[in-house]
Amino acid sequence: EVQLVQSGAVVKKPGESLKISCQGFGYKFNNYWIGWVRQMPGKGPEWMGFIWPHDSDSRYSPSFQGQVTISVDKSINTAYLQWSALKASDTAMYYCARFPTGELDYWGQGTLVTVSA
Amino acid sequence: DVVMTQSPPSLPVTLGQPASLSCRSSESLVYSDGNTYLSWFHQRPGQSPRRLIYQVSKRDSGVPDRFSGSGSDTDFTLEISRVEADDVGIYYCMQGAHWPPFTFGGGTRVEIK
Repeated sequence: EVQLVQSGAVVKKPGESLKISCQGFGYKFNNYWIGWVRQMPGKGPEWMGFIWPHDSDSRYSPSFQGQVTISVDKSINTAYLQWSALKASDTAMYYCARFPTGELDYWGQGTLVTVSA
Repeated sequence: DVVMTQSPPSLPVTLGQPASLSCRSSESLVYSDGNTYLSWFHQRPGQSPRRLIYQVSKRDSGVPDRFSGSGSDTDFTLEISRVEADDVGIYYCMQGAHWPPFTFGGGTRVEIK
């Protein structure tokens, strides 16, 4: 059974850095793009970007390019999403997801990030 | 970016009655491999979205056959033949033919009358 297990909810202050994680189970991790989707309170999902674990080739939505960094450690089947300096507007639920070609098939349980002074 | 437009934004339905949700894309979703990359997801309050339909009309494992997808090119429909209480929530369509970025529609909220 495919599972994507994410790290827990966090509360941070503006300007702080953060790295959240997503570990894949039940499939060949290197064979699928794995990425991140943001959902702000009361809004629809937004694709942020994804990474190919085999060679760490990453692609970003223009809306998120330069704002976040997606990385991977294929030795432990884990993808990461990180910020160097959080803003209040980064408050949202972040989902990791698996991406077969042209598709999104499995979602993680979500990581709630709250940025507040 | 490909814009995905869903209608209606809200859909009150009576239990046991059918429901029809629309999704339109600003460009054709037929990819160079001949497949059409349009998916439907269902999100219940407080839960992660779950995929129901991929490539327009293919149902995911475990999805009741009350759910069916149809359409082509830029115009797509998700039909629920007989709405059950468990079907409430928000339904999103998503295109994967033109990326980056993958884009989602604004959602249709299904509620019981």
